[in-house]
Amino acid sequence: QVQLQESGPGLVKPSQTLSLTCTVSGGSISSGAYSWSWIRQPAGKGLEWIGRVYTSGSANYNPSLKGRVTISVDTSKNQFSLKLSSVTAADTALYYCTRDLVIAVAATWGQGTLVTVSS
Amino acid sequence: QSVLTQPPSASGTPGQRVTISCSGSSSNIGGNYVYWYQQLPGTAPKLLIYRDNQRPSGVPDRFSGSKSGTSASLAISGLRSEDEADYYCAAWDDRVSGSFVFGTGTKVTVL
Repeated sequence: QVQLQESGPGLVKPSQTLSLTCTVSGGSISSGAYSWSWIRQPAGKGLEWIGRVYTSGSANYNPSLKGRVTISVDTSKNQFSLKLSSVTAADTALYYCTRDLVIAVAATWGQGTLVTVSS
Repeated sequence: QSVLTQPPSASGTPGQRVTISCSGSSSNIGGNYVYWYQQLPGTAPKLLIYRDNQRPSGVPDRFSGSKSGTSASLAISGLRSEDEADYYCAAWDDRVSGSFVFGTGTKVTVL
């Protein structure tokens, strides 16, 4: 059974770039017709889809993030990554990585990692 | 901000049926599949319903989804204490290059 684990700095300074990695275990990131997404949730608030990447490297992003986001995949490490630039306090949230099936977005979730943007 | 609107809260006693609505538009619910996610306190969300009314393996048949026009609903029948959670609807939105949008979320309380 595939499992996802987010990792990265828990504290990022304003205007810097947030970088997170999701490690996939229990299966190959390249097998199957999957895409891999990032979703975030500010404390006490709802969910926001950030974007997704296919193992081909093709990616789709939430337009509301205005070009600040890049999601990439490293099949050799069985990982995919999120970079969010020019962060502000509004980017403070619990960040989840997910595996998407053709028939279902976010069918499998990681446990989430908290990122705080503060000086 | 969320483009899918849900009531902030819903409640019921054990055994009752609770329904949660999700209102959208022709660019999201009206033209795309609806998904529902359950988030138990302190945990990551879990896929509950996909493609409007399909349940992943392991999800009890007490949970059911439906859709009509630009609105969708999640029904929980035979409400149990372990169903106390936040529930989110979601759908792809065809506007502006497409984006996966979530509802505002509904907190279900078992009285």
